[in-house]
Amino acid sequence: GQQVMQIPQYQHVQEGEDFTTYCNSSTTLSNIQWYKQRPGGHPVFLIQLVKSGEVKKQKRLTFQFGEAKKNSSLHITATQTTDVGTYFCAGNSGYSTLTFGKGTMLLVSP
Amino acid sequence: DVKVTQSSRYLVKRTGEKVFLECVQDMDHENMFWYRQDPGLGLRLIYFSYDVKMKEKGDIPEGYSVSREKKERFSLILESASTNQTSMYLCATRTGNTGELFFGEGSRLTVL
Repeated sequence: GQQVMQIPQYQHVQEGEDFTTYCNSSTTLSNIQWYKQRPGGHPVFLIQLVKSGEVKKQKRLTFQFGEAKKNSSLHITATQTTDVGTYFCAGNSGYSTLTFGKGTMLLVSP
Repeated sequence: DVKVTQSSRYLVKRTGEKVFLECVQDMDHENMFWYRQDPGLGLRLIYFSYDVKMKEKGDIPEGYSVSREKKERFSLILESASTNQTSMYLCATRTGNTGELFFGEGSRLTVL
């Protein structure tokens, strides 16, 4: 079945440093979604990417979808303590259900 | 705003007990999902439903069943709870087949 791998599993940065998490799928995706889960909270949708090579920005967050639609990345510029949480990617292949990566836990020290 | 309500935030049950976890959504979404979340394993899909009285197995359905008698309500049932079912259970909904998921607050189940 479809597998979605996400790295790193964990990252600890100083406030102001950049952060990137990477997502790779074993199959070509129709779209990819990103979610953020704050400590003690539930996953909250951030964005969906659909087109090959697509790049979208949300303030300090930049999301990319690979040309082959099998990989994606989330980059945070100048992290803040409010960025703390676990970031998940989730891939859709056609009309199947979403397959989640295992997530990257981000810790930001002030 | 979409509201997805899970009936219990925290439950403690004993091995062998029958457990019901309920999820109610207020946005008339066709699709509803049950995931479990465990440290280091991410979110794994247990069951999902595309419509009333319809259900499909996810990646880890063993030991679970579901019920969807009304469009807004999707129940997860553990017929005989076991300690390896101690976990966080998350309900989610979405409209269509490729839209975003809306999650409930989660139900943390401990089986002793």
